[in-house]
Amino acid sequence: NAGVMQNPRHLVRRRGQEARLRCSPVKGHSHVYWYRQLPEEGLKFMVYLQKENIIDESGMPKERFSAEFPKEGPSILRIQQVVRGDSAAYFCASSPRGFGQINSPLHFGNGTRLTVT
Amino acid sequence: AQKITQTQPGMFVQEKEAVTLDCTYDTSDQSYGLFWYKQPSSGEMIFLIYQGSYDEQNATEGRYSLNFQKARKSANLVISASQLGDSAMYFCAMREGPLGFGNEKLTFGTGTRLTIIP
Repeated sequence: NAGVMQNPRHLVRRRGQEARLRCSPVKGHSHVYWYRQLPEEGLKFMVYLQKENIIDESGMPKERFSAEFPKEGPSILRIQQVVRGDSAAYFCASSPRGFGQINSPLHFGNGTRLTVT
Repeated sequence: AQKITQTQPGMFVQEKEAVTLDCTYDTSDQSYGLFWYKQPSSGEMIFLIYQGSYDEQNATEGRYSLNFQKARKSANLVISASQLGDSAMYFCAMREGPLGFGNEKLTFGTGTRLTIIP
């Protein structure tokens, strides 16, 4: 059984470029969450999506960041015009039904480490 | 105010000893869930254990147990018989609100770096 798959594992971008991070949820999961982890910190919630819908984007920066989870294909977190402060680990997690089951905690992918030079 | 507080930035423990990692939380919700995750140096986030606010018994998963003291709002992780492979960052996290009502996001603490000494 494949877990949450994120790619790339490492991504290096120059300031001003675009970063696209991909997340394929566990097969059958229709809910995706993105979190960001700055160095030496805990994970911070960014956005929660269902297929074709953004449910909660309260943790997303207002500018340059966007996320989508299309009907087909992986979820994409896009960061436009990256700056050095965007350097972090970005984690994706998925759940089958709105995190609605006690024994179904969020299972995370291995993360994408973004480095902005 | 911090919703999740982990006061131990780092801990060193002798192999085979038990270790307790502290976590206190702050919420006004009656229904909530508490989680512990392990993050080894390779970076992935590994789910360890879950405690629901209405669970009357402390959660246990193998060598992991959660010491849940609701009145004190603490949810400490206990690892029995520690092993070298337990060396990692440990994060406490909370989900506020009842399940399935859109309150799906987790709030994480800042973590405790546990080092097991042979």
